[in-house]
Amino acid sequence: QKEVEQDPGPLSVPEGAIVSLNCTYSNSAFQYFMWYRQYSRKGPELLMYTYSSGNKEDGRFTAQVDKSSKYISLFIRDSQPSDSATYLCAMSGGGSSNTGKLIFGQGTTLQVKP
Amino acid sequence: DGGITQSPKYLFRKEGQNVTLSCEQNLNHDAMYWYRQDPGQGLRLIYYSQIVNDFQKGDIAEGYSVSREKKESFPLTVTSAQKNPTAFYLCASSIFGLAQNTDTQYFGPGTRLTVL
Repeated sequence: QKEVEQDPGPLSVPEGAIVSLNCTYSNSAFQYFMWYRQYSRKGPELLMYTYSSGNKEDGRFTAQVDKSSKYISLFIRDSQPSDSATYLCAMSGGGSSNTGKLIFGQGTTLQVKP
Repeated sequence: DGGITQSPKYLFRKEGQNVTLSCEQNLNHDAMYWYRQDPGQGLRLIYYSQIVNDFQKGDIAEGYSVSREKKESFPLTVTSAQKNPTAFYLCASSIFGLAQNTDTQYFGPGTRLTVL
């Protein structure tokens, strides 16, 4: 079993839809949770990060962490065609040494159709 | 412009050849990393360096080598010992390194390596 599981999709939605992207994980020691966005043939860019449990909102994006369920989510409101990309979850804090090592999910490919 | 640059963008290699991928950063970050990305898989750590003249193996270091002679530069050599080198290679940097779990990694644009 992988430490971080993410449905690869692809996920196709119409413009304006609310998108929900999710990851589950097995290591209860993870404390720092990130979402990266990666456009085709580009490097990932940090979109959101959350420390421990709770919600964080930034414009149309909301990141949620539920440590009791080992489940994190990224919500995109009023989705736009420019949101079409691969979304990678990543987390760290899972070891006593090298606690900053990032463990990535496989990435979910999202397509927003006009 | 501050950032991370990788070159070349596309690289083709014949079997049995060594190739070197370039990574440069002007963010004044201490730590630098190399990841490999394959379709359907997350990023996997190849090597990382938290300070000049020091580097450590990541999860999939076999068939790769690195050097860190300057703070700004962290080149990756894909050797002929790497059995399946075709992949997208990503370089990243961060301020502190893996000792801090709140450190943020910033990625370069990537190099796509294809073995012919």
